[in-house]
Amino acid sequence: DSGVTQTPKHLITATGQRVTLRCSPRSGDLSVYWYQQSLDQGLQFLIQYYNGEERAKGNILERFSAQQFPDLHSELNLSSLELGDSALYFCASSVGGGLAGAFKQFFGPGTRLTVL
Amino acid sequence: GQQLNQSPQSMFIQEGEDVSMNCTSSSIFNTWLWYKQDPGEGPVLLIALYKAGELTSNGRLTAQFGITRKDSFLNISASIPSDVGIYFCAGQLIYQLIWGAGTKLIIKP
Repeated sequence: DSGVTQTPKHLITATGQRVTLRCSPRSGDLSVYWYQQSLDQGLQFLIQYYNGEERAKGNILERFSAQQFPDLHSELNLSSLELGDSALYFCASSVGGGLAGAFKQFFGPGTRLTVL
Repeated sequence: GQQLNQSPQSMFIQEGEDVSMNCTSSSIFNTWLWYKQDPGEGPVLLIALYKAGELTSNGRLTAQFGITRKDSFLNISASIPSDVGIYFCAGQLIYQLIWGAGTKLIIKP
């Protein structure tokens, strides 16, 4: 158990809908990362937050948005869903900051999104 | 954008064989990380490397941080069935991790 929790575990929805994925980082971690993994593909980095502020952006679509709250949990919002958005969505957390080891990311179990 | 070249893309091996995979980049990294992902689950950190030339082991796994800081290697000795999965390398660049595409390890029956 990595200590990172994600809900829900599975989500089935229709095209055009909007969903919210939730992540709670490990205790003490300030950074949260979101990744998308399509079937048999690698990890596509979406976005990173550090202590409530956006730190880095990857290949995140404009239909997707995220935020990190004062209690450090994070939500990823996916809107106007398309069939191609079906994927595993992972959240990871790390201590963050500048020390060696601060960037070790610990992954949650993922949310499997199916868009029909 | 930054890229990591991870090879091989997949490997078919016999149980008991040794396995080698590597990652290379044109960028210099401060940290190298190796992860393993089982089907349908999140990646799990195997080994972290922090200094050029560093060699670190975790059981049957050994990883090295290349001297040039642009590459890293992971070796698995005497593979067993539970070693199957996808292995990812990641290099730390400023405050971001750059990920390899993964090496899929398959054990021949």
